[in-house]
Amino acid sequence: DQQVKQNSPSLSVQEGRISILNCDYTNSMFDYFLWYKKYPAEGPTFLISISSIKDKNEDGRFTVFLNKSAKHLSLHIVPSQPGDSAVYFCAARGKGNTGNQFYFGTGTSLTVIP
Amino acid sequence: DVKVTQSSRYLVKRTGEKVFLECVQDMDHENMFWYRQDPGLGLRLIYFSYDVKMKEKGDIPEGYSVSREKKERFSLILESASTNQTSMYLCASSLTGANKETQYFGPGTRLLVL
Repeated sequence: DQQVKQNSPSLSVQEGRISILNCDYTNSMFDYFLWYKKYPAEGPTFLISISSIKDKNEDGRFTVFLNKSAKHLSLHIVPSQPGDSAVYFCAARGKGNTGNQFYFGTGTSLTVIP
Repeated sequence: DVKVTQSSRYLVKRTGEKVFLECVQDMDHENMFWYRQDPGLGLRLIYFSYDVKMKEKGDIPEGYSVSREKKERFSLILESASTNQTSMYLCASSLTGANKETQYFGPGTRLLVL
């Protein structure tokens, strides 16, 4: 039962334009959200995070927005660059069977076209 | 920089074999995790550990076991490999503490079970 969903498996964007990656979740008790970036043949690397007490966090070209009422998370990349082409996973922290546990989405493959 | 290493990048095993996947982190992190990544399913948690000799089941522990004898090392064991365990296996580690739980991933081990 997927608690974190990324409904777009892929996205193509022209270089210099905005990339918007979306993520939906079902558990209102999730309190911390993260985005990871994954290149082929490498493990995911942390990109940006946001606590549930905030609605926006910005780090350079990357901004994460959180809409708790809609249970929706988005990552904006402005301007997009070819090096941003990767698979992006969103993740949410919640209570597992014992202690905190992270739940990952299925990933969105972003292609930035030069 | 946190470094998480995995013993093998690629493995080919036969059905019924016992398989060991090793993971080592060098940043004294308390928490360590094993995930598998499959197309369309994202990252799914197999087992995690909050301390030496402690282990907790994740969402899909069946067919797997783990061992954590030292803080820096977390092993995933497939007692009798099956073809449905063909997957990408990712190890991760993290610190404990509010909003410190960013996970750092290894490069992954791609396992093929014939």
